[in-house]
Amino acid sequence: ETGVTQTPRHLVMGMTNKKSLKCEQHLGHNAMYWYKQSAKKPLELMFVYSLEERVENNSVPSRFSPECPNSSHLFLHLHTLQPEDSALYLCASSQEEVRGNSGANVLTFGAGSRLTVL
Amino acid sequence: GENVEQHPSTLSVQEGDSAVIKCTYSDSASNYFPWYKQELGKRPQLIIDIRSNVGEKKDQRIAVTLNKTAKHFSLHITETQPEDSAVYFCAARPPISGSARQLTFGSGTQLTVLP
Repeated sequence: ETGVTQTPRHLVMGMTNKKSLKCEQHLGHNAMYWYKQSAKKPLELMFVYSLEERVENNSVPSRFSPECPNSSHLFLHLHTLQPEDSALYLCASSQEEVRGNSGANVLTFGAGSRLTVL
Repeated sequence: GENVEQHPSTLSVQEGDSAVIKCTYSDSASNYFPWYKQELGKRPQLIIDIRSNVGEKKDQRIAVTLNKTAKHFSLHITETQPEDSAVYFCAARPPISGSARQLTFGSGTQLTVLP
């Protein structure tokens, strides 16, 4: 399989559950991302693993925790979520330049995991 | 950090007409500006991008223009077709400089092409 694949595609969970979203990229990229997409809002960057460095958006609650065991796999662990966390969670990957200043950052997105928190 | 504003939030055009979506950005150092298209129920996909060393780029029916002085860039779609109906996102990225290097997205424009 090629590209970026995400599982599960749909997830319904209660506020006390613990679940994980999985992402796998087959593009040989060196950076992976989690984005949150809510209705009528910008794509919100949650976490980045780039060149073995983790970058996070400080506004993301601690009930979301990422894990990146290698450059091809990315997880988002979910626990004690709130109904407002219901959204589409998109994984993406890109090939980051080690040096240089061109700024280009072409993201390849997965199909997303639609999360509903009851 | 970077802030990107996108207008309009919704846009309806007749098939064959042109569509224009505009974005402004706040960080004058940003030097990369992509546009992504997200069809209903599908993933966002890059359709065109522009770097700050050029003012315009075209690819068939789509074009992007950049005005660095005014800090705004626009997506132009000519001869629109029903398959152009989607949500379009603009984004901006500053040069490589630590954690601030990531893309900042606009809030999206829902384009509907009416037959």
